[in-house]
This record gives sequence, structure tokens and C-alpha cells, in this order.
Amino acid sequence: AIQMTQSPSSLSASVGDSVTITCRASQGIRNQLTWYQQSPGKAPKLLIYAASTLQSGVPSRFSGSGSDTDFTLAISSLQPEDFATYFCLQDFIFPWTFGQGTKVEI
Amino acid sequence: QVELVESGGGVVQPGRSLTLSCEASGFTFRNYGMHWVRQAPGKGLEWVAVIWYDGSKKYYGDSVKGRFTISRDNSRNTLYLQMNNLRGEDTANYYCAKEGVRFLGAFDMWGQGTMVTVS
Repeated sequence: AIQMTQSPSSLSASVGDSVTITCRASQGIRNQLTWYQQSPGKAPKLLIYAASTLQSGVPSRFSGSGSDTDFTLAISSLQPEDFATYFCLQDFIFPWTFGQGTKVEI
Repeated sequence: QVELVESGGGVVQPGRSLTLSCEASGFTFRNYGMHWVRQAPGKGLEWVAVIWYDGSKKYYGDSVKGRFTISRDNSRNTLYLQMNNLRGEDTANYYCAKEGVRFLGAFDMWGQGTMVTVS
């Protein structure tokens, strides 16, 4: 199975900061990568799919980039509701696999 | 109202079986692939299984292959996960999720989850 490695595992930031989370695949997955946000006690929320396509209703401060093995989720001007855990998911080949998550803390 | 509601979780002994259900409403269920994703307490997300919109194809995660079976009843707008030979490591909150874009991992709707404890 394809291994997805996120970094960092956690980061500390302040409201208004910009942050970047990376996800690396153990083999090429073209642009087939999705990003999710999960707040404590809640189901994940779709942010970005196909590496860079913003899901409808998601604020434009979220952006995704990358292809093949290296991908990035960028959040500009962090808002209080953005402090959560972020996961990447490769949907290139079954079994689909998630990264281990990145916790964004205040 | 667009909604997914899971049920069927509980406490079960190792080696036993359990079937989860996910009832969909507010959208045309038969048009969408459906997935199960689980999350062990305090851990990350693990993709479990998918079933095509018409039930024609099914795929499984490595840790559940051969023990879990995904199925659907489009006449009842319901997704199922039959779990056999359960192990302690299957303890998790099980979410059903709807694909937002066909054949992609863009799950645009999730249920609230149902907790399975194997002990």
C-alpha cells in the first residue's frame, strides 16, 4: 500500500499566521490527493481534492498544491476555527491511505 | 435534509461479528459511491472500504480484507459493513462517507460515526 507521510505532526501558530503542511507519498500518485480538516469530536470536513481544487464553501485562505509525490496544504491568515487536525488522503490506487495527521495548535 | 446516520455499533467480544448500517437521506443514494472510514480513539483516520454506486465494485483496506464486507441496498438508501472475526485493533469510531466526485476521495458528506469496541 502507498504510505502517506505528513509533516510536521504538530505545529503551533497564532491567529493571523500562515502555515504550511506537507504530505509525501511513497510512490507517485499524480494529483490524486485530498485534504481534510477535523475538529475534536467532529467528522472530517473536505477542504481540497485533486490536490488543488477547493471544495465549494471552503474559504479561499486554504490552498493546495503539488503532484506526483509531494503535496502542500497552505493556510493563510489562520482563523480561530482553523485550529484542528489536518489529514491527507491518496485516492490514486486502492487501498486508499491517509496520512497520520497534522495538529495545528494555538 | 442531506444526512448520513450510522448505527449498529457497540461492545463485542474478539472473534465475534457485527454489522453496521448507514442510512442516507436528502440525496439520490444510488448515484454515489460510498465509503467506510474508521478512527481509533485518539488516532488518525483509516480508510476501510468502498462500494461503487451500483454495487459493481468493492475494495478494502489491507487490515480488514477477508474479514469485512461492504454492501448496499439502493432501494433502502442504506450502506452496510459486515464485520467478522473482530479484533481489538478494530476498536474505532466508524464513519460512512459519500463521494462528492465520482471515483475520487473527495468525501463531501460524513455521518456522525458509530463506535465499535472489541473487548
